[in-house]
Amino acid sequence: DAGITQSPRHKVTETGTPVTLRCHQTENHRYMYWYRQDPGHGLRLIHYSYGVKDTDKGEVSDGYSVSRSKTEDFLLTLESATSSQTSVYFCAIKGNSGETQYFGPGTRLLVL
Amino acid sequence: GDSVTQMEGPVTLSEEAFLTINCTYTATGYPSLFWYVQYPGEGLQLLLKATKADDKGSNKGFEATYRKETTSFHLEKGSVQVSDSAVYFCALSSGRIQGAQKLVFGQGTRLTINP
Repeated sequence: DAGITQSPRHKVTETGTPVTLRCHQTENHRYMYWYRQDPGHGLRLIHYSYGVKDTDKGEVSDGYSVSRSKTEDFLLTLESATSSQTSVYFCAIKGNSGETQYFGPGTRLLVL
Repeated sequence: GDSVTQMEGPVTLSEEAFLTINCTYTATGYPSLFWYVQYPGEGLQLLLKATKADDKGSNKGFEATYRKETTSFHLEKGSVQVSDSAVYFCALSSGRIQGAQKLVFGQGTRLTINP
């Protein structure tokens, strides 16, 4: 158990509404990541963070923003949700050394 | 850019059968390679990894060897169990910005083991 929680675990929302997903870690790791999982695509990186207030885009960042004001929390925001953002969202963390990422339990988001 | 290709699924086997899930990659440099497993309703768990050519990663009876000459990292297990039913993802580490190693994943292979 890498000490990662995600909230909410399930969410149903309507097109055009803002949505914020939270990733919380208890391990004080520097690096945090947001991925989305879709059939036929595996996991794709949305955004990542390499420190408090330090974030950068991944390969599928359009329509998403992130914030990290504390080491332990990494927030993913869908400014105006669309049906194409229906997916399962995973947060991951990585320590200062090594390359292994550890994943949270996921958030299943349905945009109607 | 870097990419990972896994064999198409789903794969269905009988208990005690031999398993191979193929994984090939395209990358610049010498990435580390990973196999992650996802059980139903859960997040991904690291199964095994290899950090340089000819390294063999192993865990829970699964093995994979980093083959630089064939750019492959095939997952094998000699005798599968029903409890191995899951989705398996091959991944490589791609790039490093401010130390934030990013992972590139294959599309996943769903494995079902019948008793």
